[in-house]
Amino acid sequence: QVQLVQSGSELKKPGASVKVSCKASGYTFTSYAMNWVRQAPGQGLEWMGWINTNTGNPTYAQGFTGRFVFSLDTSVSTAYLQISSLKAEDTAVYYCARDVFDSSGYHNWFDPWGQGTLVTVSS
Amino acid sequence: SSELTQDPAVSVALGQTVRITCQGDSLRSYYASWYQQKPGQAPVLVIYGKNNRPSGIPDRFSGSSSGNTASLTITGAQAEDEADYYCNSRDSSGNHPVFGGGTKLTVL
Repeated sequence: QVQLVQSGSELKKPGASVKVSCKASGYTFTSYAMNWVRQAPGQGLEWMGWINTNTGNPTYAQGFTGRFVFSLDTSVSTAYLQISSLKAEDTAVYYCARDVFDSSGYHNWFDPWGQGTLVTVSS
Repeated sequence: SSELTQDPAVSVALGQTVRITCQGDSLRSYYASWYQQKPGQAPVLVIYGKNNRPSGIPDRFSGSSSGNTASLTITGAQAEDEADYYCNSRDSSGNHPVFGGGTKLTVL
């Protein structure tokens, strides 16, 4: 079955970096883009951006430029989110989600989602 | 604030029908997708496209759209439907996805 499995929780100090992985299985990895979504504690879902798994070209939402980097290793069907210079406000659950388009290529949705990775930034 | 607006909280009596709405200009051009999120769990797609349910989603969930408003309807709400529900569509430019602020559904 189609599945996204993310790496485990991380506890980091301010100023450090973290790399979250999202391993895909059950489908051709390069046929679907991958999105990243943040959920801060007690808050809603926030789209961070996406990466074209064919070309490796990333697109970042406003507010997620500079310290956030999306990357791929297509040989192991895995997408990565790296966050550098971590701040306390980066504490959140980070999700990857596959991007699916309808036959027109106009409407899309996210399915499935990874189980989420909690990143805690604290001194 | 999000470009998609949802009521923060809605309640429904067990077995009754509830409609959760999502408003935004982009909904005149793009369908919304809907996600259910229970505490401590990842979001799950429940409605996509015009009104499509993924495999495993009960047929009491349905979607509709009119003008700038998309709706998720649960006909005969069950206790297990108590969750946060998020709509997703495009931003006003149509270039990027955006989520609504979420609606907390309480089943009484």
